This record gives sequence, C-alpha cells and structure tokens, in this order.
Amino acid sequence: DGGITQSPKYLFRKEGQNVTLSCEQNLNHDAMYWYRQDPGQGLRLIYYSQIVNDFQKGDIAEGYSVSREKKESFPLTVTSAQKNPTAFYLCASKGDPSGNTIYFGEGSWLTVV
Amino acid sequence: AQSVTQLDSHVSVSEGTPVLLRCNYSSSYSPSLFWYVQHPNKGLQLLLKYTSAATLVKGINGFEAEFKKSETSFHLTKPSAHMSDAAEYFCVERDSSYKLIFGSGTRLLVRP
Repeated sequence: DGGITQSPKYLFRKEGQNVTLSCEQNLNHDAMYWYRQDPGQGLRLIYYSQIVNDFQKGDIAEGYSVSREKKESFPLTVTSAQKNPTAFYLCASKGDPSGNTIYFGEGSWLTVV
Repeated sequence: AQSVTQLDSHVSVSEGTPVLLRCNYSSSYSPSLFWYVQHPNKGLQLLLKYTSAATLVKGINGFEAEFKKSETSFHLTKPSAHMSDAAEYFCVERDSSYKLIFGSGTRLLVRP
C-alpha cells in the first residue's frame, strides 16, 4: 500500500545526544515536510524539500538538520542544539506542485530524558 | 502574514447532537482550505478540502464545511456526533506557495 512510514514511533534521547527520525514514502511525491507539534498548538514547519538534493528551512529550523539524497527518504536529525526537543514529529509529502493534498505519516514521539 | 484562527480550543457535545467547529482564515484571495483530524497518538487524516469549487464541501465520516468568503470562515459541521469523533481537529490554509498554515486546533469531546 502507498503511504508514508515514520520510525521509530517512540524515541527517548539523553541530553546532548543527536537522534535521527526516519521518514520514507512510496507515493513518488517530490515534496516532503517535517512538522513539530506541541500540546495545544498547531503544527510548525521545521524543514521542507521540494525536490531531491534540495531543502529549505521552515519556521523553526534551529537545532534540526535534514537531508534529501533520495526521493523517497527525508530523515530529520534532532541535534543537541535543539533546546526543547520533546514533541510529536510529523512527516508529510505532497505530489504535483499544484496539488492541494498533503499526506501525513503516523508521527514519532521524541522524549528527552 | 496569513493566519488561521480556530475560535474554540475545546468543544464538548453530547452523542447524537450537532457539532460545530469554527475556523476563520485571513488571506484576501481565494484560499485552499482543509480540515484535518488527529486521533490520540496518530498522524493527521484529511477530512475535507476546499479548492474554489463548490462552497459546501462534504468530507468523510459525515463531516462537511461551508466556505463563506464574506465572513472569511470555513466552519466544520456534523449533524450528529458519534463517540468516535472525539479527537483534535485542525483547520489549515495553504498559502500562495505550498506551505500549510495550521490553526491551533480544537479538541472535540463527545459525552455519552
């Protein structure tokens, strides 16, 4: 079945560690996104990529990094520079540029211990 | 800057009664608007979308929303709430590029 797969679903990080969240899609979509969700807030855009080997900072990119070496993969690294990383992270993708529908993964919970 | 305002952070209804979740957008042109639902510990699921066709949009699970340009509103309704509708709902606007602008969400509680 086509869709977006995020892993792991739950992740615990010690302070000072970098962690990487995986996002894979088999929808053949060009555009991919990472959002962060905090309780009581809407989603905030961390990074996005419109095409392979290209990505742009979103509204809250500090402390995060991404890569887009393959069309189907858009991993997000939460670095030790991110001061408050505990959150729910959602990966999304979109097909053609004029398309209106964004598809989301199931999300990953990151907790700093 | 564009913004999406969800007027209620929490809405509580009894099972079988109507649901109204309110949303106002800010853009001056004809926007693309969406409602997404998020169940606990889940990703987002698209309920419905408006893309300048019919102003009354029907979605999944009996939900619908009406685009009213004069009021810059896109309220979500359902005639009869079900227990399984309890979730968080997000009103979303797509801006002139490709970014999505999310409202802060409305938590729907359904009482037996």
